[in-house]
Amino acid sequence: AQRVTQPEKLLSVFKGAPVELKCNYSYSGSPELFWYVQYSRQRLQLLLRHISRESIKGFTADLNKGETSFHLKKPFAQEEDSAMYYCALRSRTNAGKSTFGDGTTLTVKP
Amino acid sequence: NAGVTQTPKFQVLKTGQSMTLQCAQDMNHEYMSWYRQDPGMGLRLIHYSVGAGITDQGEVPNGYNVSRSTTEDFPLRLLSAAPSQTSVYFCASSYGVGNYGYTFGSGTRLTVV
Repeated sequence: AQRVTQPEKLLSVFKGAPVELKCNYSYSGSPELFWYVQYSRQRLQLLLRHISRESIKGFTADLNKGETSFHLKKPFAQEEDSAMYYCALRSRTNAGKSTFGDGTTLTVKP
Repeated sequence: NAGVTQTPKFQVLKTGQSMTLQCAQDMNHEYMSWYRQDPGMGLRLIHYSVGAGITDQGEVPNGYNVSRSTTEDFPLRLLSAAPSQTSVYFCASSYGVGNYGYTFGSGTRLTVV
């Protein structure tokens, strides 16, 4: 069975500090991995895709197949990064069936 | 371009009542999905569709029905509402696998009393 684990429900850092939101997964095969973000009173939105190897709003995420992890990192957190973050995976053949982690609420303090 | 539109935004039902949550997208996405979001439990998949006329069950399908007669619309029907169905419901769509993630609707907050 596929599973996504986000071990931290709450994470608090000070502005300017590095931040890392952890995501571990179990999956038989090679999944597609994503990070989604939900800012206060806004809808969920896509943040990062592992396939793109991109940096969005200063965030990056590296897929570590050996450790089955997809941690989200940012070197200098900003107050506007405060939000709920979800890690998700899906198969490479079905874009309608994603499995989400329980989410991590990030608070960046001034 | 409206993206994914969900209606209603809020709804209160009595136990045993039925209702339909509407979801429409204007991006010509083949894949559409319904999730429920409960505190501390992330998003759980209810039903999904890989194209018009094709639907399948997700992780928590009991008590819900779906159909997909057009590419644009993917309504979710609650057959006989129960307090355990109190939740926030999200509809999402995707163009396909690979580089395409979900586009989400704004959600429906449902309370069953």
